[in-house]
Amino acid sequence: KNEVEQSPQNLTAQEGEFITINCSYSVGISALHWLQQHPGGGIVSLFMLSSGKKKHGRLIATINIQEKHSSLHITASHPRDSAVYICAVRRGGSQGNLIFGKGTKLSVKP
Amino acid sequence: NAGVTQTPKFQVLKTGQSMTLQCAQDMNHNSMYWYRQDPGMGLRLIYYSASEGTTDKGEVPNGYNVSRLNKREFSLRLESAAPSQTSVYFCASSEWDLQAGELFFGEGSRLTVL
Repeated sequence: KNEVEQSPQNLTAQEGEFITINCSYSVGISALHWLQQHPGGGIVSLFMLSSGKKKHGRLIATINIQEKHSSLHITASHPRDSAVYICAVRRGGSQGNLIFGKGTKLSVKP
Repeated sequence: NAGVTQTPKFQVLKTGQSMTLQCAQDMNHNSMYWYRQDPGMGLRLIYYSASEGTTDKGEVPNGYNVSRLNKREFSLRLESAAPSQTSVYFCASSEWDLQAGELFFGEGSRLTVL
């Protein structure tokens, strides 16, 4: 079993829909990252969370440390949100290593 | 703002050839990383450097060497390339702090080994 599991693997939505991507992990962590990778490959950091909730524009990320679960929400989705969204966790007490999920491929249709 | 710069962006090698991927960051970060990304798999850590002068193996270090030349630069070398090393390689950097541990990635280097 992977230490970081994302669901769904693939997601197709209509423009304007509310989208939720989930991330569950099985190890103790000090932080969780949400990343975005557009076709063409560049990876951009969206959020880093250690507790609670963060919001940036139409993106909201939440984390529940007790349940070892995080969600990334996109409100009023747009075709430009089409990308792969990657969850990564930083092990508690570890400076070096991140464990990555396999990503959720989101396609938003106009 | 340059952020993380890695070169080359594309490279085709023959089996047995060697090459070095270069990475530089201008954010004064202590930690730097080399990852590979393969279809159907998450990013996997090859090597990382928590600070200048230190390097540590990650999940998939075999066939690679690294050098943390200074605080800015972290290079990845393939001594004798193999087809299994065909992949997209990403360099990343971060500061090590819960308040400022955001990750910054280079644009990726697509390597094909024939």
